[in-house]
Amino acid sequence: AQKVTQAQTEISVVEKEDVTLDCVYETRDTTYYLFWYKQPPSGELVFLIRRNSFDEQNEISGRYSWNFQKSTSSFNFTITASQVVDSAVYFCALSEADWFSSGSRLTFGEGTQLTVNP
Amino acid sequence: DGGITQSPKYLFRKEGQNVTLSCEQNLNHDAMYWYRQDPGQGLRLIYYSQIVNDFQKGDIAEGYSVSREKKESFPLTVTSAQKNPTAFYLCASSMSRQIDYGYTFGSGTRLTVV
Repeated sequence: AQKVTQAQTEISVVEKEDVTLDCVYETRDTTYYLFWYKQPPSGELVFLIRRNSFDEQNEISGRYSWNFQKSTSSFNFTITASQVVDSAVYFCALSEADWFSSGSRLTFGEGTQLTVNP
Repeated sequence: DGGITQSPKYLFRKEGQNVTLSCEQNLNHDAMYWYRQDPGQGLRLIYYSQIVNDFQKGDIAEGYSVSREKKESFPLTVTSAQKNPTAFYLCASSMSRQIDYGYTFGSGTRLTVV
């Protein structure tokens, strides 16, 4: 069965520091997708990025960057020059085929609470 | 604007009562999902539905029930059999059964048993 582990429960940094959120996953499938979501205090999950299992290129989007390494089953997320508005819970998630229902399932990690202090 | 609407935002229930959480989407998405969120435990899948009139149990379905009579609606009933129902409930939808489609989430319902 698939599993996603975010070992960092809480991280606290000072504004402008760089911070990396770790994500390790387990799956038996060769085709799968990885996601990161942000959950601000309002509660709604906001999609950040999607990466498929065949694309190991790192991605950068503004202050955000993602490092996908299949060899270590990791999909880490780095925020450069953090800001107070980055404070939120961040979830890593794994999507793979659900053969029972002929569909897909998204499995989430436990989440990392990031607090950026001014 | 297209999106997912969950109502109510806050819900209080007395022990022993059933309560139904509403989830409506106007995104024309085929698949819909219910997750439960507890502090420090991430999101856990309760039920999901890939098409109308069909749904499957997730990882923590005991004490919950759902229906999918319309594509747009996927209500969740928390029954009195659910031993610890106080939690934050999130509904989500996805365009397709395919694994490459991410989910769109509602803003959640916070249920408290009093």
